[in-house]
Amino acid sequence: ETGVTQSPTHLIKTRGQQVTLRCSSQSGHNTVSWYQQALGQGPQFIFQYYREEENGRGNFPPRFSGLQFPNYSSELNVNALELDDSALYLCASSPLAGGEAYEQYFGPGTRLTVT
Amino acid sequence: EDQVTQSPEALRLQEGESSSLNCSYTVSGLRGLFWYRQDPGKGPEFLFTLYSAGEEKEKERLKATLTKKESFLHITAPKPEDSATYLCAVQGNNAGNMLTFGGGTRLMVKP
Repeated sequence: ETGVTQSPTHLIKTRGQQVTLRCSSQSGHNTVSWYQQALGQGPQFIFQYYREEENGRGNFPPRFSGLQFPNYSSELNVNALELDDSALYLCASSPLAGGEAYEQYFGPGTRLTVT
Repeated sequence: EDQVTQSPEALRLQEGESSSLNCSYTVSGLRGLFWYRQDPGKGPEFLFTLYSAGEEKEKERLKATLTKKESFLHITAPKPEDSATYLCAVQGNNAGNMLTFGGGTRLMVKP
C-alpha cells in the first residue's frame, strides 16, 4: 500500500511569486485535505477536495486555491506569496468525505520559504 | 467554533518515567477526536481515533482516553524513541470535514 506523497520537499520563493504544491493520495483514498503548519504550531485546515470539487474551506484567502484530478491526486496553488506564507504544507488523504469521522493520513509535507 | 488546547506545551521525562498529556476541547457535537505523533520536519503520524466519552485505546506504551471535555494520552515507561510532538485534533458536526488541531505537546525522553 502506497502512502501519501508530496512534492517538492523544499521550496524557496520570493514575495509576490506563485507556487504549486503537489500531492498523491494513499491508495484507495478519494478525499484530499490541505493544511498549513507554521513553526511550533498545530496544522491549520486550508481546504478539502472530494470528487474533484472543493468540499470545505478554512479561514484562508482566495489566493489559496486547489485542484483534484480524476486519479485523486491534488494541487495547492498559492498566488501573490507573502512572507507569512512560509510554513510546512501538509496534504492528508482519507477514504471518505462527510458523515462519520474518519482518519486522515498525512504526507511528509512541503517546506515553503518565502523571502 | 471548535477549539483545542493542549498542555503542557513541552514535557521532559526520564526514561521509564510515566506521565500524561492533556487535550481540552470545545466542539459543537464531537464526531471524533484524533491523536497524532509528529517527528521534526515530518508529517503527522496517525495514532488513535476516539468517538465517545469513556472510550479508551492502547498501542504499545500509549493509551488514549476520552471524556466529554478532554482527552488524555498516557505514556507508560517511555523510551527515548517516544520523543516527538503529540498533536490532538477534533472533528465536530458543524465543521464539515476539517480537523481542528491543538498546538501540540513536545515530549522529550532522556535516557
